[in-house]
Amino acid sequence: SYVLTQPPSVSVAPGKTASITCGGNEIARKSVHWYQQRPGQAPVLVIYYNTDRPSGIPERFSGSSSGHTATLTISRVEAGDEADYHCQVWDSVSDPVVFGGGTKLTVL
Amino acid sequence: QLQLQESGPGLVKPSETLSLTCSVSGGSLSSSAYSWGCIRQPPGKGLEWIGSIYFRGQTHYNPSLKSRVSMSVDTSKNQFSLNLNSAAATDTAVYYCARLYSSGWFIDYWGQGTLVTVSS
Repeated sequence: SYVLTQPPSVSVAPGKTASITCGGNEIARKSVHWYQQRPGQAPVLVIYYNTDRPSGIPERFSGSSSGHTATLTISRVEAGDEADYHCQVWDSVSDPVVFGGGTKLTVL
Repeated sequence: QLQLQESGPGLVKPSETLSLTCSVSGGSLSSSAYSWGCIRQPPGKGLEWIGSIYFRGQTHYNPSLKSRVSMSVDTSKNQFSLNLNSAAATDTAVYYCARLYSSGWFIDYWGQGTLVTVSS
């Protein structure tokens, strides 16, 4: 089955840029989606189809994908961005829905 | 605004069946543009997709759980359900109901989640 690898944690100072990676074999060939999950809450979709933002998600959130790595970038990080971030792909070959292990973003 | 609400026992005994019902309000289950799924999250761990079902009953299951999972849909009640048999302590998790967009399989709506503990 397809495997997605995320770093367990990323730290960033307020106002700086955070980059959260999601590694997978030829991930650039797949649709990658990202979710934000604050403590005790359900996940919220923040990026879909690699780069698209749902309505209501700030422009500070952006996504990209190349080769074997997809990246969620959060610009001008705020304290409220502190959360777990999960990547997910649709793998038509094996499991339709595959999640990465999640990355905890800490705002210093 | 679409809403999903999970319901079911919060405590299940080992070897018994874990059952979850998802009620959908503010929209209809009956659209081929979406499937309806269950995702779980063990305490302190990541998300795991369990399975999805379309309103006509077509299902997709996580291969690692396929032998123990069944899902069903009741369009008259706007509900879908999950059964996970032979429950074990490792099935203890927050269980979420969700709507998945069929093209790309991303999740655009989530329920609030319900904790199910498997313990004697």
